[in-house]
Amino acid sequence: DFQMTQSPSSLSASVGDRVTITCRASQDIRNYLVWYQQRPGKVPTLLIYAASKLQSGVPSRFSGSGFGTDFTLTIAGLQPEDVATYYCQKYNSAPPLTFGGGTKVEIK
Amino acid sequence: QLMESGGDLVKPGGSLRLSCSASGFNFKIYSMNWVRQAPGKGLEWVASISSSSSAINYIDSVKGRFTISRDNAQNSLFLQMNNLRGEDAAIYYCALFAGVILWGQGTPVTVSS
Repeated sequence: DFQMTQSPSSLSASVGDRVTITCRASQDIRNYLVWYQQRPGKVPTLLIYAASKLQSGVPSRFSGSGFGTDFTLTIAGLQPEDVATYYCQKYNSAPPLTFGGGTKVEIK
Repeated sequence: QLMESGGDLVKPGGSLRLSCSASGFNFKIYSMNWVRQAPGKGLEWVASISSSSSAINYIDSVKGRFTISRDNAQNSLFLQMNNLRGEDAAIYYCALFAGVILWGQGTPVTVSS
């Protein structure tokens, strides 16, 4: 079965720190990967599409990289408003359009 | 824009039909999806249906109990949920995951006696 393995499941970092979240697909998904931010009680919002393209309106401190099976979301300079849970997802391709397990980001 | 409806409190073993109304894009050319999120848990893709309804896929845990369907003339997506279990309790989102990504606001499903 196809799986998306995201790590870590949670992290705590200081304001201004560089934060990295990884996502590994069990099969090659080329660049069919998106990253979302979800704040409590809210709908997920799109940060990155096609693995590395920044969605319009998203701060430039967010970036994505990777191709094939290994992907990374980086926050360059963590801000208090970045406290949220982040998810990767395979998209725009054949189902299942599986999500990673999520990474909860907190401020130290 | 996507707008879900139909979420409710239902007893275990009961049934529910969710609806999703689409507007502002060419609904009939896109595959559509249902995603759910149980309280305090992560996002879970549930089902997808192709533009012509010729290809339908489900997560294993709902196969045989849930049925996804669509009405392109009405720009609507549906999820018929039968034999509901406690673990099906969640917010259910209608979503588009193509070159365009859209989420609805979600509709809550509670399964409890």
